[in-house]
Amino acid sequence: TQLLEQSPQFLSIQEGENLTVYCNSSSVFSSLQWYRQEPGEGPVLLVTVVTGGEVKKLKRLTFQFGDARKDSSLHITAAQPGDTGLYLCAGEKLTFGTGTRLTIIP
Amino acid sequence: DAGITQSPRHKVTETGTPVTLRCHQTENHRYMYWYRQDPGHGLRLIHYSYGVKDTDKGEVSDGYSVSRSKTEDFLLTLESATSSQTSVYFCAISESGWASGGASEQFFGPGTRLTVL
Repeated sequence: TQLLEQSPQFLSIQEGENLTVYCNSSSVFSSLQWYRQEPGEGPVLLVTVVTGGEVKKLKRLTFQFGDARKDSSLHITAAQPGDTGLYLCAGEKLTFGTGTRLTIIP
Repeated sequence: DAGITQSPRHKVTETGTPVTLRCHQTENHRYMYWYRQDPGHGLRLIHYSYGVKDTDKGEVSDGYSVSRSKTEDFLLTLESATSSQTSVYFCAISESGWASGGASEQFFGPGTRLTVL
């Protein structure tokens, strides 16, 4: 089983601050996905990264896939209350990380 | 939004009773999945289907069975519910499965909160 560890598990910051959350594994992945889940709803796909070293931007969110394809990060610039949610990374074989629960305080 | 519904949305049952959860899609996607979500464990795959009557086990399949007699419906059955099966259950769909070099987007339903007393 390919394990994905996410850190931190919980993060609470003020609106306007920057933050980075991480997804790490000892296994090599051909691709990684990031999902965001809001309370009472199912996860929604944010991005898929497939190339080692790849960087993708989605407005204020920047996703990076590690060169060795064993890790990924999500950086949020100038966080807003709408960014609040559970962020999950997912690898192939339908493996999900345990998630980072992010709270942005207005 | 992808057309995925789950029923029931909430259920309370007693230990030892059978329970069936239903997932219905209107997207005609080939792949369907059942996950459970528990604090500290994230999403864990129970079973998945890659076509009508074609199913396979996931990471935590013990105590669960599935059936898919039509493209649009995927049923999850707990043969004899136990308290350890108290969880939030999510159904998901995708057009294709995981393939080398890429992954298909999964669309998730709203979830079913199951409590086994």
